[in-house]
Amino acid sequence: DVKVTQSSRYLVKRTGEKVFLECVQDMDHENMFWYRQDPGLGLRLIYFSYDVKMKEKGDIPEGYSVSREKKERFSLILESASTNQTSMYLCASSSGSTNEKLFFGSGTQLSVL
Amino acid sequence: AQSVTQPDIHITVSEGASLELRCNYSYGATPYLFWYVQSPGQGLQLLLKYFSGDTLVQGIKGFEAEFKRSQSSFNLRKPSVHWSDAAEYFCAVPGSGNTGKLIFGQGTTLQVKP
Repeated sequence: DVKVTQSSRYLVKRTGEKVFLECVQDMDHENMFWYRQDPGLGLRLIYFSYDVKMKEKGDIPEGYSVSREKKERFSLILESASTNQTSMYLCASSSGSTNEKLFFGSGTQLSVL
Repeated sequence: AQSVTQPDIHITVSEGASLELRCNYSYGATPYLFWYVQSPGQGLQLLLKYFSGDTLVQGIKGFEAEFKRSQSSFNLRKPSVHWSDAAEYFCAVPGSGNTGKLIFGQGTTLQVKP
């Protein structure tokens, strides 16, 4: 069964901490994505990657960075966490083209205190 | 720019009743269109997608959606709702460039009354 695994289901961090959210997929997909989900706003794209070491900004990249050193792993980094980054973070992956579906992880609920 | 609007934030229906969730899109060409469902505590799962051909698309779990170009709509329907359909539903279109990214609507939360 295909899988996108996010390392933590719940995380609690303090303001100013550096936070790493990890995502691993086992489908050999080229594309990987980080979305943020907030009530009433739906999912908003933070960053995505279409190849190893390649990354592109999404719609709300401010305050975030990403790393993709291996094809199967895509990390989201909050350099200095702030309370307005409290949210649900969803990782997804897909194979190359536009009409291919995204496979999602179960999400990481991050609380920044 | 591509965008998606789901006008209904929250809908409540009785079990066994019919359901229609609305989705309106803005897209430069003939769009690809998707509906995803998110059950509580889960990631998103694809219900169905449209990219060409028959404008009535069948999906999993008994859902269907109809693409209407004249109305820029892709509404999701189900003839008889089950309690297990309670979830959040998202409509989506591809973002710019052939990158595989999707732009999602705000989501509609479905509550099912017994």
